[in-house]
Amino acid sequence: EDQVTQSPEALRLQEGESSSLNCSYTVSGLRGLFWYRQDPGKGPEFLFTLYSAGEEKEKERLKATLTKKESFLHITAPKPEDSATYLCAVQRYGYALNFGKGTSLLVTP
Amino acid sequence: DAGVTQSPTHLIKTRGQQVTLRCSPKSGHDTVSWYQQALGQGPQFIFQYYEEEERQRGNFPDRFSGHQFPNYSSELNVNALLLGDSALYLCASSRDRGREQYFGPGTRLTVT
Repeated sequence: EDQVTQSPEALRLQEGESSSLNCSYTVSGLRGLFWYRQDPGKGPEFLFTLYSAGEEKEKERLKATLTKKESFLHITAPKPEDSATYLCAVQRYGYALNFGKGTSLLVTP
Repeated sequence: DAGVTQSPTHLIKTRGQQVTLRCSPKSGHDTVSWYQQALGQGPQFIFQYYEEEERQRGNFPDRFSGHQFPNYSSELNVNALLLGDSALYLCASSRDRGREQYFGPGTRLTVT
């Protein structure tokens, strides 16, 4: 059975303090790994898709990387507006996304 | 370019009742997936509709059913509501059952 584990569950950073969020997964036949950002009470916002080990993608202060067992979301010099829950999901055969529980990020001024 | 829209925003129902939630996909998208998100959890896949047929289903009972219309919009129906059905219901759309799914704002369902 697919497993997606995100760590830490919660992370508090000072503005400008860079860090990484982890998503470890166990899935056979990975079609893609997805990162989403979710603000309270809203739907997830698509950030990145990674398809193969070694792949990296960047968007503003965020950079996502993928290995055969885990993915990292690196946040460089975060700002308070980066505060949100970050969700990782894997896609196997079929098209369903299997999500982790998320990492709640709080960036303080 | 209109994104994914869902209605209603909030809904309060009584245990045992039935509910219908609605979703319009992003412009140019033809595939709709539904997810249930309990508080503090990641979204859980319910089912996916493409070409007006259910193509894939998650681990949800038959009380959960759906429909897709010729204009690609979709409905999620839940019968015999239980307290445990209280959650945020999310609709996601994609193109040609594509990998990247874009989510709507969700419908918050409260069952009392």
